[in-house]
Amino acid sequence: QQQVKQSPQSLIVQKGGISIINCAYENTAFDYFPWYQQFPGKGPALLIAIRPDVSEKKEGRFTISFNKSAKQFSLHIMDSQPGDSATYFCAASSGGSARQLTFGSGTQLTVLP
Amino acid sequence: DGGITQSPKYLFRKEGQNVTLSCEQNLNHDAMYWYRQDPGQGLRLIYYSQIVNDFQKGDIAEGYSVSREKKESFPLTVTSAQKNPTAFYLCASSWGGNNEQFFGPGTRLTVL
Repeated sequence: QQQVKQSPQSLIVQKGGISIINCAYENTAFDYFPWYQQFPGKGPALLIAIRPDVSEKKEGRFTISFNKSAKQFSLHIMDSQPGDSATYFCAASSGGSARQLTFGSGTQLTVLP
Repeated sequence: DGGITQSPKYLFRKEGQNVTLSCEQNLNHDAMYWYRQDPGQGLRLIYYSQIVNDFQKGDIAEGYSVSREKKESFPLTVTSAQKNPTAFYLCASSWGGNNEQFFGPGTRLTVL
């Protein structure tokens, strides 16, 4: 099963709040879990990524939490800012010379000023 | 200035016409990819290429064709066989087995 399920579909957060987006997967061969940020009319850009040998990775205000046994991972955006308003995609892939990313359906985040 | 360029940014096509979307990268990446994005949906893989003169079908290859004659170029042709071609098309590239894929700015195709 290649699907990656992402929730919620949309999220509204006040400035300074915490934004949390969740993803779940079935394929236990997945070994790379990136999050991409996309602004309207632009291509996605890698935000942060994690491998299953760690349970958490933090880069600035962005943190990925990973639960291997539950096959779930989540993105936490601390101190959310209006500039964070974008669509966020989780993805997953397994090994190979050309990694095929399987994407979640996306979460549209709006941070209110 | 390194990166991925896609052209044109907007493309309009009449039904029954083939159209080719351009993707060029100067990052010296081995692998290149084409994705399709529909409103409210994630990205779906159309084709990918690991090396020059080689490419594989992704999840939704029907109605599309690609070529990889040069390392830096991976054009996508949307044929008249593609039943619902209106979408945002994204090209990406990566080093061989490296994880990170870098995306271009996209081409929005509209069929009139």
